[in-house]
Amino acid sequence: DAGVIQSPRHEVTEMGQEVTLRCKPISGHDYLFWYRQTMMRGLELLIYFNNNVPIDDSGMPEDRFSAKMPNASFSTLKIQPSEPRDSAVYFCASRVAGVETQYFGPGTRLLVL
Amino acid sequence: ELKVEQNPLFLSMQEGKNYTIYCNYSTTSDRLYWYRQDPGKSLESLFVLLSNGAVKQEGRLMASLDTKARLSTLHITAAVHDLSATYFCAAYHSGGSNYKLTFGKGTLLTVNP
Repeated sequence: DAGVIQSPRHEVTEMGQEVTLRCKPISGHDYLFWYRQTMMRGLELLIYFNNNVPIDDSGMPEDRFSAKMPNASFSTLKIQPSEPRDSAVYFCASRVAGVETQYFGPGTRLLVL
Repeated sequence: ELKVEQNPLFLSMQEGKNYTIYCNYSTTSDRLYWYRQDPGKSLESLFVLLSNGAVKQEGRLMASLDTKARLSTLHITAAVHDLSATYFCAAYHSGGSNYKLTFGKGTLLTVNP
């Protein structure tokens, strides 16, 4: 299995622009998680899905952030408009019910200028 | 709200020495996870501890869980340079169907020759 796939791996954009991050979970996994990692705040859960349905979005920082999972093999995290404080590494992770481990993707390094 | 605290946050040790990283969590949780992250890389699952008294070992690393004390430890035996990385513990909110993981700040381990 290819593991969790994220794209792009690096993104540099200017403040005010829309940013879309993409994730393909491991085939057969029914949970998908979006995390953000910064030096100041560490690793934070933003939102997670179960069977494509958002279950807990309490970690989404504000309305500029939105996430979707239109099918079992694809999810997006969108930031519109982006701000410099959104600069971070965004990880996607997935797991399958009955197996405790979450498997993390390689991450997307986002820099908002 | 579940809080997870690791200590120390920074650990510099010599090859061949032993040391322990501690992970305390604030509310009931019966599942505890340890992850490793190399610089600029993703998170790799090391251990999943599912019950009080659980102990797991892999090579020079051994993890244990005491749910009554709300404490997990990661013990390093005879450290080698390859173990240099950041180690995270994470705990689940107990009960219900919420699969929200809360991570500690991480322990940056440097093993010196």
